[in-house]
Amino acid sequence: DQQVKQNSPSLSVQEGRISILNCDYTNSMFDYFLWYKKYPAEGPTFLISISSIKDKNEDGRFTVFLNKSAKHLSLHIVPSQPGDSAVYFCAASGITGFQKLVFGTGTRLLVSP
Amino acid sequence: DVKVTQSSRYLVKRTGEKVFLECVQDMDHENMFWYRQDPGLGLRLIYFSYDVKMKEKGDIPEGYSVSREKKERFSLILESASTNQTSMYLCASSLGAGSNQPQHFGDGTRLSIL
Repeated sequence: DQQVKQNSPSLSVQEGRISILNCDYTNSMFDYFLWYKKYPAEGPTFLISISSIKDKNEDGRFTVFLNKSAKHLSLHIVPSQPGDSAVYFCAASGITGFQKLVFGTGTRLLVSP
Repeated sequence: DVKVTQSSRYLVKRTGEKVFLECVQDMDHENMFWYRQDPGLGLRLIYFSYDVKMKEKGDIPEGYSVSREKKERFSLILESASTNQTSMYLCASSLGAGSNQPQHFGDGTRLSIL
């Protein structure tokens, strides 16, 4: 059973425009959410996170929004750049004490010049 | 900066062999993890460890074991490799329990079982 879902396998955006990547979760015990970016032949790199006590967290061009009632989070990238082209994974964890993450299946973002 | 180092980037082994994947982190992190990444399936947790000599099964532990003799090193062992264990293997580490801290990943080992 997929507890964290990224329903769009791919997304294409033009340089300078906004990229919006979506993620849904089913487990109401999740309270910490993260986004990772992965380039080919490299490990995932931590991008941004949000705790369930917030509904928005911003870091430069990256903003994560959390809608707990809808069990939905999104990552906004503004403005998008060609270097943002990568696979983006959404991940979630609950208070287990061991920070066990559950990952989505990823969305491949392509930003064209 | 956190550094997680996986001993091999690419590895080719034969069916039935015992395979060792090594991971070392340099930030004194308590938690260490092993994942495999397959197309369309995302990252799936195999095993994790929250302290030396401690280990917990993840979501897909069958066919694997782990060893953590020292805090900085976490080894994944394929007891008898099979072709369905061909995959990208990723090691990660994070700070201890009770704090929301991101996991930091190595660059992965692409393992092929022939």
